[in-house]
Amino acid sequence: DQQVKQNSPSLSVQEGRISILNCDYTNSMFDYFLWYKKYPAEGPTFLISISSIKDKNEDGRFTVFLNKSAKHLSLHIVPSQPGDSAVYFCAASTRATGAGSYQLTFGKGTKLSVIP
Amino acid sequence: DSGVTQTPKHLITATGQRVTLRCSPRSGDLSVYWYQQSLDQGLQFLIQYYNGEERAKGNILERFSAQQFPDLHSELNLSSLELGDSALYFCASSPGPFNTEAFFGQGTRLTVV
Repeated sequence: DQQVKQNSPSLSVQEGRISILNCDYTNSMFDYFLWYKKYPAEGPTFLISISSIKDKNEDGRFTVFLNKSAKHLSLHIVPSQPGDSAVYFCAASTRATGAGSYQLTFGKGTKLSVIP
Repeated sequence: DSGVTQTPKHLITATGQRVTLRCSPRSGDLSVYWYQQSLDQGLQFLIQYYNGEERAKGNILERFSAQQFPDLHSELNLSSLELGDSALYFCASSPGPFNTEAFFGQGTRLTVV
């Protein structure tokens, strides 16, 4: 059962335009969300995160929006650049009680291609 | 460079064999996490160690085990390997027990033939 879903395996965008990557989750206990970027032959790199107490977080060209009622988050990249071409993973975590561990649950990723 | 080092980068082995993957976390990080990425799958959390102790377990098979040593490096042992174990295995580290923003190594690509 996939708790974090990225329904678009791939996305192509023209350079300079906006890229919007979507992510849906089913576990209402998730309260921290992250986006990772992955280039071929490299490990995932942390990009941006958002806590469930916010609905928007911005870092330069990257903005993440969170809609808790819809259990949906999106990553906006404006303007898109060819160097942004990579696989983007959405991840979510929950503040567990007891031993306390933020296990990251990842989606399957969306491959973004930015066309010059 | 994330500061997390994984060795080897590639590993080819036969079914039924046992392999050990190694991970050195970023300097100062006490937590190490292991993830598996199979073809067309997201990263599946396997196990976490924090300061030498097992902290959390995910979808880790009984044939797999891990440990974290006093110098904080970690090893993931995979035994009785099957074709389906072929995957990318990533190690990540974070300063504390909560990996809100973990830093990943480049991964070890395991191919079981």
